[in-house]
Amino acid sequence: KAGVTQTPRYLIKTRGQQVTLSCSPISGHRSVSWYQQTPGQGLQFLFEYFSETQRNKGNFPGRFSGRQFSNSRSEMNVSTLELGDSALYLCASSLPRQASYNEQFFGPGTRLTVL
Amino acid sequence: DQQVKQNSPSLSVQEGRISILNCDYTNSMFDYFLWYKKYPAEGPTFLISISSIKDKNEDGRFTVFLNKSAKHLSLHIVPSQPGDSAVYFCAASGVSGNTPLVFGKGTRLSVIA
Repeated sequence: KAGVTQTPRYLIKTRGQQVTLSCSPISGHRSVSWYQQTPGQGLQFLFEYFSETQRNKGNFPGRFSGRQFSNSRSEMNVSTLELGDSALYLCASSLPRQASYNEQFFGPGTRLTVL
Repeated sequence: DQQVKQNSPSLSVQEGRISILNCDYTNSMFDYFLWYKKYPAEGPTFLISISSIKDKNEDGRFTVFLNKSAKHLSLHIVPSQPGDSAVYFCAASGVSGNTPLVFGKGTRLSVIA
């Protein structure tokens, strides 16, 4: 079974530009979550999509947005890039089940550098 | 306000000895706790988890202990191997399967041969 894939793996942008990252979950997984990892900050939750609806949202500005398609693939978009947006962006997918915690499977991430 | 804290940014252990990674949390609504391991240039991979109704869960060389009254959990790796060198993240989740994971900042473990 193929794992979570993320494209592109590396990206360099300049301040003020916008960027779109893509995530393809494991086949059959319907929940996709996005995280930002910066040095010394761990993984910070951005948002989660389930059945094309945003179900949870972290504490990030509105410049960060996402969506999910009917095939469960997800994209996240960051507009008006700032230097502080340089980070590893991780996508994770899970089934999910209703009654108990769902293990999340992570992709390799997209390394975004903003110059 | 960090709800999941890993106070040791790094830990160095000799091969064959025990590695103990610690994690504290502040939110009493957390019900499920997980440890993830991350190698450079890869996404985190699930290692082991524990539900709040248990105080210990074991999987091979890995054991997680939960002390609910202290809001503390720890991951024990015995014996430690060089391949265990990675960043370990502690994460917590609420009761519902729909709540997002909250991660700590991670502890970099180095196992020295």
